[in-house]
Amino acid sequence: RKEVEQDPGPFNVPEGATVAFNCTYSNSASQSFFWYRQDCRKEPKLLMSVYSSGNEDGRFTAQLNRASQYISLLIRDSKLSDSATYLCVVSTLTFKTIFGAGTRLFVKA
Amino acid sequence: DGGITQSPKYLFRKEGQNVTLSCEQNLNHDAMYWYRQDPGQGLRLIYYSQIVNDFQKGDIAEGYSVSREKKESFPLTVTSAQKNPTAFYLCASSIKGGSVNEQFFGPGTRLTVL
Repeated sequence: RKEVEQDPGPFNVPEGATVAFNCTYSNSASQSFFWYRQDCRKEPKLLMSVYSSGNEDGRFTAQLNRASQYISLLIRDSKLSDSATYLCVVSTLTFKTIFGAGTRLFVKA
Repeated sequence: DGGITQSPKYLFRKEGQNVTLSCEQNLNHDAMYWYRQDPGQGLRLIYYSQIVNDFQKGDIAEGYSVSREKKESFPLTVTSAQKNPTAFYLCASSIKGGSVNEQFFGPGTRLTVL
């Protein structure tokens, strides 16, 4: 079993749709959680950190469920520019950061 | 402008040759990292350094070597011992080592071994 698992997609959605990604992790000692965005053939960039209480940044909402060991990312009112691969990232206190393989999103007009 | 630079963007080498990838940052970050990304896979950690003159092996260090003689620089050498070196190589840095800090990535180097 992979330490961090994501549905690879692709998710094909129309503009304006709401789309949700889930990510599961296997190490219960994980402490820090992030979502990164990676455009085609580019470097990953931090989209948002994920806090225990959940957090929102504009159209993006991240949730953490420690009991079930998964995190989620919700994108509301999808834009064409949201088309990218979304990477789930999980870290432990002992300096071990694991990147998921990513979920591809295509937003179409 | 502060950031991380990697050069070159594309690199072609013949099998059996060593090649060194450059990574420089002017963010005054203590920690630096090297990752490899293959199609359909997540980033895998090759080496990391939390401080000058110190570095640690990541999950896939075999066939690679690094140095950290200056805070700003963390070059990666892909040696002929690396069995499958063709990949997208990403360098990153963070303020401090440890899991809670955001990592900033350079634009990457695509290495193709012919």
